[in-house]
Amino acid sequence: QTVVTQEPSLTVSPGGTVTLTCASSTGAVSSGYFPNWFQQKPGQAPRALIYSTSNKQSWTPARFSGSLLGGKAALTLSGVQPEDEADYYCLLHYGGDWVFGGGTRLIVL
Amino acid sequence: QVQLVQSGAEVQKPGASLMVSCKASGYTFTRETLHWVRQAPGQSLEWMGWINTGNGNTKYSQKFQGRVTITRDTSASTTYMELSSLRSEDTAVYYCVRQSGSSGFDYWGQGTLVTVSS
Repeated sequence: QTVVTQEPSLTVSPGGTVTLTCASSTGAVSSGYFPNWFQQKPGQAPRALIYSTSNKQSWTPARFSGSLLGGKAALTLSGVQPEDEADYYCLLHYGGDWVFGGGTRLIVL
Repeated sequence: QVQLVQSGAEVQKPGASLMVSCKASGYTFTRETLHWVRQAPGQSLEWMGWINTGNGNTKYSQKFQGRVTITRDTSASTTYMELSSLRSEDTAVYYCVRQSGSSGFDYWGQGTLVTVSS
């Protein structure tokens, strides 16, 4: 069974920079896994941020960026705002199937 | 504007089946794939399967194989997700999500809360 692993929790100060990662139990994540990233705030549906590793949705703030880093997919927030406090989920593609990561709770403190 | 509007909350008994609908608008329905995702209380998101709305082909997560059926009605621009043999662990919010060829997973439905309880 494929497992996608994210940091359970990260804390960042307002204005700071933080990188969330997404690892696959099958090995290094590449662009062929078409990483997607989503943000979810309490009581709301998830909101799409990034697709195909690094492409932003039209509504994604410029401070969010996606990349591949050290064999993982990565989501970097630069100049973190208080409203960025949320759960973040990655999604990877496995030959027709898709698997979500366990999510990272980002705390802005 | 693209919208995915799902059916309302349901309460079901163990062993029963549920069907959630997702009506799409604001784009050509048959051009984009629709997925179903669920989220149990306090848990992560879980991918269930997808449907090619153009030809009706489907792919399901191994976890739900045999219990889930995803269909679509192109005349109504609606996709349906049916889950059978419900158990308490199926209590969750169920979402439909659009996957666009040009913008990945982009639009989500508002979610449908399904409670399985005797």
